[in-house]
Amino acid sequence: AQTVTQSQPEMSVQEAETVTLSCTYDTSENNYYLFWYKQPPSRQMILVIRQEAYKQQNATENRFSVNFQKAAKSFSLKISDSQLGDTAMYFCAFMADYGGSQGNLIFGKGTKLSVKP
Amino acid sequence: NAGVTQTPKFRILKIGQSMTLQCTQDMNHNYMYWYRQDPGMGLKLIYYSVGAGITDKGEVPNGYNVSRSTTEDFPLRLELAAPSQTSVYFCASSYYRRIAGLKTYEQYFGPGTRLTVT
Repeated sequence: AQTVTQSQPEMSVQEAETVTLSCTYDTSENNYYLFWYKQPPSRQMILVIRQEAYKQQNATENRFSVNFQKAAKSFSLKISDSQLGDTAMYFCAFMADYGGSQGNLIFGKGTKLSVKP
Repeated sequence: NAGVTQTPKFRILKIGQSMTLQCTQDMNHNYMYWYRQDPGMGLKLIYYSVGAGITDKGEVPNGYNVSRSTTEDFPLRLELAAPSQTSVYFCASSYYRRIAGLKTYEQYFGPGTRLTVT
């Protein structure tokens, strides 16, 4: 069974600074996807960034980047130039890739990020 | 495209009542899901479907039923509501494609339904 662990229940950062959210996972699969989702107070689940395990290059999306360490089963999210609108819950998620089909998303418990002015 | 839509947005039920949460997607996705999110927790999978006529249990299926008669719709049924079912419910759909040997995947979520059982 796959598991996803987010060890930081809450974090805070000053506006314009950089913050890193941690995520580790456990799996015996070699092919999989990893995701970071943002959930603002509106409750909407918003995909922030996606990483395919077969890609060695770390994914980046504007101010968001990941540090994917496959051997260590670690997948951290770095937010640069933090903005007030980044205040939200952030969920790390895992999905196995079975070739012709997909597994289901497995979520961590989340990290509540507060960006302070 | 409207994406994934859910109705209602909010609902209060009395213990023992029944209701159906509606979910519709207009992206022609094969996969659809129902999750619940309890306070301070991540999402847990209730049921999922890999296509019309095919459904399967997730991590927390007890107390729920689903059906998938069309590609677009995936309703979730609560037969005898209990306080333990107080939660926020999310419907989602996804695609998984291979294009030129590259695989890609994305899951889209609805806005959620906040359900309270008292």
